[in-house]
Amino acid sequence: EAGVTQFPSHSVIEKGQTVTLRCDPISGHDNLYWYRRVMGKEIKFLLHFVKESKQDESGMPNNRFLAERTGGTYSTLKVQPAELEDSGVYFCASSQGTSYEQYFGPGTRLTVT
Amino acid sequence: DQQVKQNSPSLSVQEGRISILNCDYTNSMFDYFLWYKKYPAEGPTFLISISSIKDKNEDGRFTVFLNKSAKHLSLHIVPSQPGDSAVYFCATPTGNQFYFGTGTSLTVIP
Repeated sequence: EAGVTQFPSHSVIEKGQTVTLRCDPISGHDNLYWYRRVMGKEIKFLLHFVKESKQDESGMPNNRFLAERTGGTYSTLKVQPAELEDSGVYFCASSQGTSYEQYFGPGTRLTVT
Repeated sequence: DQQVKQNSPSLSVQEGRISILNCDYTNSMFDYFLWYKKYPAEGPTFLISISSIKDKNEDGRFTVFLNKSAKHLSLHIVPSQPGDSAVYFCATPTGNQFYFGTGTSLTVIP
């Protein structure tokens, strides 16, 4: 069974540009989460999808961030326009049903210069 | 404001000895806790969990202890092995989101 995949693994963009991160969860997992970790800090919750519906997006920093989950399968996280403080590693995780056990992808390292 | 705190950024332990990683939380309503292990350039992987109805859960070399009155949990690894060297995160779900700690980097010295 394939795990959670994320693309790209690394992205370097200039301030003001747009970047779109993609996450493919484990097949059949209804729950999909996005997190961000800035070096040395906690893994910070951004938002939670159940299928295609946003259950909780209280962790999204501001309206420069837009997440979608088309058809309840893969998800994208767009940052537009990117700012320096958006740099960090963005993780995606998925889980099945009511299980608390999440499966994480390898992350996308975003560097905004 | 952090809901889950790991106050030790790093820990070094000799191979074969016990590793103890600690985690404190702020809200007594939290009722489930998980530990994740993370290697460099990889995502965290689930290690072990505990419900608040228990005070101990064991899985092989890994044991998690929960002290509800102190709002504290700890992960014990015994015996520690070099392959255990990683960053360990504690986490707790609340509503539709999860709170994670800042992680403790464990180094097991051969």
